[in-house]
Amino acid sequence: EVHVVQSGAEVKTPGESLTISCQASGYDFASYLIAWVRQIPGKGLEWMGIIFPGDSDTTYSPSFQGHVTISADKSLTTAYLQWNSLKASDTAMYYCARQGSTGNFDFWGQGTLVTVSS
Amino acid sequence: QSALTQPASVSGSPGQSITISCTGITSDLGANKFVSWYQQHPGKAPKVLIFDVRVRPSGVSERFSGSISGNTASLTISGLQAEDEADYYCSSCTGSSTLVVFGGGTKLTVL
Repeated sequence: EVHVVQSGAEVKTPGESLTISCQASGYDFASYLIAWVRQIPGKGLEWMGIIFPGDSDTTYSPSFQGHVTISADKSLTTAYLQWNSLKASDTAMYYCARQGSTGNFDFWGQGTLVTVSS
Repeated sequence: QSALTQPASVSGSPGQSITISCTGITSDLGANKFVSWYQQHPGKAPKVLIFDVRVRPSGVSERFSGSISGNTASLTISGLQAEDEADYYCSSCTGSSTLVVFGGGTKLTVL
């Protein structure tokens, strides 16, 4: 059975760095894309980017390119989303999900709420 | 591919059918179109209802169906139930790219 479990909620101040995680199990982690999706409170879903854990190849949405870094550790079957310098506008729920070859997301994590406030 | 357009809200009474549209779907070089639909209840992660335009994953009710005409995809929910009240999102990608774009979301109210 496939499970996707994300790290817990974070409260940070502007300028701080942060890495959140997404651990998947129950399937061949290296063979499926993992996507990150942002949801600002009260707003819609935004696709941020993906990683193919098999070779760590990444693709970013133009809206997020340069603002976040996506990585993965095959040995830990875990994907990561990293910020070097958080802004208040990064406050949102972040979901990871397994992405299929036709862009569908079949398994989702429970979400990680990131709050950035001074 | 640009953002997809959905109506902000739709409503219906129990037992009725409703349709949510999603405009702006583009095809890849092979003229293939890839559309998925998700349901999100408050405080919960999204759940896939439909993928590849009209394919329903196992465990999803037959009351949910997908279709496409031109550049507009549609999600139809038949026999509305109170538990269907949620936000619904479409998404699409071109087969030649792994980039995905979401629609703005539609809030379904069951009267």
